[in-house]
Amino acid sequence: GEDVEQSLFLSVREGDSSVINCTYTDSSSTYLYWYKQEPGAGLQLLTYIFSNMDMKQDQRLTVLLNKKDKHLSLRIADTQTGDSAIYFCAEIVSGGYNKLIFGAGTRLAVHP
Amino acid sequence: EAGVAQSPRYKIIEKRQSVAFWCNPISGHATLYWYQQILGQGPKLLIQFQNNGVVDDSQLPKDRFSAERLKGVDSTLKIQPAKLEDSAVYLCASSFPDRVGYTFGSGTRLTVV
Repeated sequence: GEDVEQSLFLSVREGDSSVINCTYTDSSSTYLYWYKQEPGAGLQLLTYIFSNMDMKQDQRLTVLLNKKDKHLSLRIADTQTGDSAIYFCAEIVSGGYNKLIFGAGTRLAVHP
Repeated sequence: EAGVAQSPRYKIIEKRQSVAFWCNPISGHATLYWYQQILGQGPKLLIQFQNNGVVDDSQLPKDRFSAERLKGVDSTLKIQPAKLEDSAVYLCASSFPDRVGYTFGSGTRLTVV
């Protein structure tokens, strides 16, 4: 089946690290993504990881992938107020034409 | 590169009325997607085009929703007649086939009253 699950809410103090977790179901997913959505805006691609990788680092962002447990996480170092947004985990589901399936999103609130 | 353009930005209609949304993808992107995002939920794929052909419309409520992509470029999504539960943001995205990352437009926020 196609299902991506995320916790709905995370609150962190400014300057701390944030970790957003996600589980997915399609073991054949080739790419897994993190998108960011600010209020009233569209979806912004933050980062992605190919399924043959365990980790990817991009400035303040670190993505960890555990294929055995189908678990994906996004760590944001030195979280800032501008990071407050909804973060969506998404997987590519293959089968004919690839399609991108999203989780429900994790709302990150950053407080002083 | 110019982004994915969508219009209108906002639309308010009464139930049972019709509405249409327009999307202009990034030049050269063969694949185009329409997603529906209900408040508090993640985006749900409605329909996927490859050039001007439909490759997946399994989640599209075909009794009231229709979409077309003439000449493999712009696309229109129509709802006729609208129901209250159609209130959502309708997002258009495009990509090269088998390439990483879809580019999303800003969406059209539909309110059905």
